[in-house]
Amino acid sequence: GEDVEQSLFLSVREGDSSVINCTYTDSSSTYLYWYKQEPGAGLQLLTYIFSNMDMKQDQRLTVLLNKKDKHLSLRIADTQTGDSAIYFCAERGQGGKLIFGQGTELSVKP
Amino acid sequence: EPEVTQTPSHQVTQMGQEVILRCVPISNHLYFYWYRQILGQKVEFLVSFYNNEISEKSEIFDDQFSVERPDGSNFTLKIRSTKLEDSAMYFCASSLYQGANTEAFFGQGTRLTVV
Repeated sequence: GEDVEQSLFLSVREGDSSVINCTYTDSSSTYLYWYKQEPGAGLQLLTYIFSNMDMKQDQRLTVLLNKKDKHLSLRIADTQTGDSAIYFCAERGQGGKLIFGQGTELSVKP
Repeated sequence: EPEVTQTPSHQVTQMGQEVILRCVPISNHLYFYWYRQILGQKVEFLVSFYNNEISEKSEIFDDQFSVERPDGSNFTLKIRSTKLEDSAMYFCASSLYQGANTEAFFGQGTRLTVV
């Protein structure tokens, strides 16, 4: 069945790079997504990647997709304290619904 | 910037009571969704709604749950007789289209606590 897995916590120092990893099971997924949830806020779409791409860069964000291993990562360059949040990986399942991982809590220390 | 709003932000209810969670999707959106996240677990799909009917629902969405769009702006999730295990954060989302490259906009969530 469709499943998405992430590690639960990541702690980095301000200015370092953060890499959040995700694995998924549905090889037919055409799009994979990264959502961000700040405290008390909803899920905000950060970026997405089409499955025929290996990499997508958007300012400080780099998404890497290894389709063979079904592995997705989100790299945040020059991580700031404002980047502290929970990051969710998601794939689009059958019928259009999103299948989420359990979220990775990123803690950025000054 | 248009946004999805949910009310209330936190609701406490007694087991067996009915609750209605409310959502106002973005005004020109056509597809509506409810998801939930039990504390420490994944965000799970509950139901999708289009053209005034359910288009897909998960196994979680049993007869205790219902959705409706009573007035063309609100989108509600009703839990008829709440159980302890219904305690979770409930997220509403809407999108203009259903295609894979269409962004789904999420509300800030309603935290439901069943005691």
